[in-house]
Amino acid sequence: GAVVSQHPSRVICKSGTSVKIECRSLDFQATTMFWYRQFPKKSLMLMATSNEGSKATYEQGVEKDKFLINHASLTLSTLTVTSAHPEDSSFYICSASRDGRTDTQYFGPGTRLTVL
Amino acid sequence: AQSVSQHNHHVILSEAASLELGCNYSYGGTVNLFWYVQYPGQHLQLLLKYFSGDPLVKGIKGFEAEFIKSKFSFNLRKPSVQWSDTAEYFCAVNENPGSARQLTFGSGTQLTVLP
Repeated sequence: GAVVSQHPSRVICKSGTSVKIECRSLDFQATTMFWYRQFPKKSLMLMATSNEGSKATYEQGVEKDKFLINHASLTLSTLTVTSAHPEDSSFYICSASRDGRTDTQYFGPGTRLTVL
Repeated sequence: AQSVSQHNHHVILSEAASLELGCNYSYGGTVNLFWYVQYPGQHLQLLLKYFSGDPLVKGIKGFEAEFIKSKFSFNLRKPSVQWSDTAEYFCAVNENPGSARQLTFGSGTQLTVLP
């Protein structure tokens, strides 16, 4: 149980275009989903926390207008990178948590974004 | 702000050697502690977690970790590593138990086990 998927696994786009990444909890309902960014040889950095049906909470330094997060259902959250630039190239990972008390986050496999 | 330190960036061991990976955190209050593993080409998986109770927790694949509150540490151990343990290991801390937020990760330790 507790499987999280991400789609696509890899995406290459041109500078200035927008890219949408999906995160799904396949066998459980996720009250809370998280989006992380992982730089090469670095740890995961939390970008934002989203609760189903409400606005995402962004970490300091993360542009909310650039990284649009939607958590419309208990099994799906999307991250849209708007007007992508080469510096947005990175590995984006989502995680999902059943509720706010167990604190265990289950991670998706990640999406490699390359902006040309 | 919470910080998590993993001092070993890359550890190389031979099979059957014992493993200990260090993890220290900075928050002085109540914390939940986690170790995640990322095998090559795979996603992060939970190895073990500590919420309360016995400070020695056992996880999957023979791993264990000990929470030492006085040292702000949560070191990961395995008595005898295998080649298949080659992976990146991340320590993570939640300084706000009861909330799913604020999971802070260490920088990770790459473990390479030589056959």
